[in-house]
Amino acid sequence: AQKITQTQPGMFVQEKEAVTLDCTYDTSDPSYGLFWYKQPSSGEMIFLIYQGSYDQQNATEGRYSLNFQKARKSANLVISASQLGDSAMYFCAMRGGAYKLSFGAGTTVTVRA
Amino acid sequence: DAGVIQSPRHEVTEMGQEVTLRCKPISGHDYLFWYRQTMMRGLELLIYFNNNVPIDDSGMPEDRFSAKMPNASFSTLKIQPSEPRDSAVYFCASSGFGTGGGSYTFGSGTRLTVV
Repeated sequence: AQKITQTQPGMFVQEKEAVTLDCTYDTSDPSYGLFWYKQPSSGEMIFLIYQGSYDQQNATEGRYSLNFQKARKSANLVISASQLGDSAMYFCAMRGGAYKLSFGAGTTVTVRA
Repeated sequence: DAGVIQSPRHEVTEMGQEVTLRCKPISGHDYLFWYRQTMMRGLELLIYFNNNVPIDDSGMPEDRFSAKMPNASFSTLKIQPSEPRDSAVYFCASSGFGTGGGSYTFGSGTRLTVV
């Protein structure tokens, strides 16, 4: 069984600062993928970044980077230079060998001007 | 690429009525997923298909829920009869693992309200 844990229900961050969103996971699959999605107040699910379990380097996509620590089973998302438009709910998700994508509870980020 | 298309965007129905949600996946994607999102339970996987075949429906909450994928470009999620506790946002997502990476693309969702 897969389990994804996001322990931060909500966070505030000042505009232009960086913020780290925590995600830990548990799986028995030797091969898996980790994802982060953004859900703004409009409701759509927006893919941000992907990390494969065998990838040697941490994934980066523009202002998003994924801090992957395999031994600790953590996949934290770092958003650099926060913008007002980054205010949203952020979900960590994991795909196991069966291709099912399971989600954490989410973290609400509010960016302050 | 038009993305994953869901219809309707909003649905309000009375308890006991049949509700049908529709999804058109991205062309070429061989996996299709149905999720439900509520405040209490978060994002739950209801069922998923591979090459139009249901692979895992263990997340379908009750027999009132059924899903079909008659061809590669269309899927439905049906609730009959609907109940107020079915009120939620229902997402469809598709993915093409054969193309590598395997990013999941979500539709805009259907907000269902059962009164």
